[in-house]
Amino acid sequence: NSKVIQTPRYLVKGQGQKAKMRCIPEKGHPVVFWYQQNKNNEFKFLINFQNQEVLQQIDMTEKRFSAECPSNSPCSLEIQSSEAGDSALYLCASSLSPASAETLYFGSGTRLTVL
Amino acid sequence: GDSVTQTEGLVTLTKGLPVMLNCTYQTTYSPFLFWYVQHLNEAPKLLLKSSTDNKRTEHQGFYATLHKSSSSFHLQKSSVQLSDSALYFCALRANVLYFGSGTKLTVEP
Repeated sequence: NSKVIQTPRYLVKGQGQKAKMRCIPEKGHPVVFWYQQNKNNEFKFLINFQNQEVLQQIDMTEKRFSAECPSNSPCSLEIQSSEAGDSALYLCASSLSPASAETLYFGSGTRLTVL
Repeated sequence: GDSVTQTEGLVTLTKGLPVMLNCTYQTTYSPFLFWYVQHLNEAPKLLLKSSTDNKRTEHQGFYATLHKSSSSFHLQKSSVQLSDSALYFCALRANVLYFGSGTKLTVEP
């Protein structure tokens, strides 16, 4: 079973509503990734953190997406104003380090449906 | 840029037959390749990984060999089981993990 814990498992929002999901990485893993998996099962990298610092993120030009990994709290990903196209499985993964050799361990995801 | 290509979107096989799922990649870095398996409604899980040229790596009956000369990391199994039905993703780790488009493997009785 995955040791990366994501909540909630399912999230249903209306268009324009906020959608927030959380992730507790595997113990001892300081690096956290967020991916979006669409209905065609394609993965899109969103953002990653090392501890509380952002390492990389896509150009969220619409600024509707925000994420943080505060100290001693779960990481979170929030969509400020949900759109139908945001409906997807949002996967959180953690890793021991940013190094290329390190495996990413994934949670089971939060499935967001925007009506 | 960095990318991964999986040519088969859907593969359907009868139990007991061999399978090979193709994966090729492009990168300017030293390649680290991974195969992840995702069963329905579950988290993607690591199946295999490698960064060593021409060395076969194996796990749970699956195996793959990284060939830097052809930029390939094909996944193989000699005899598929019903429980192998799942999505299989090849991935390249550069600064982040780049995934291929995935192959849905369905094993029939």
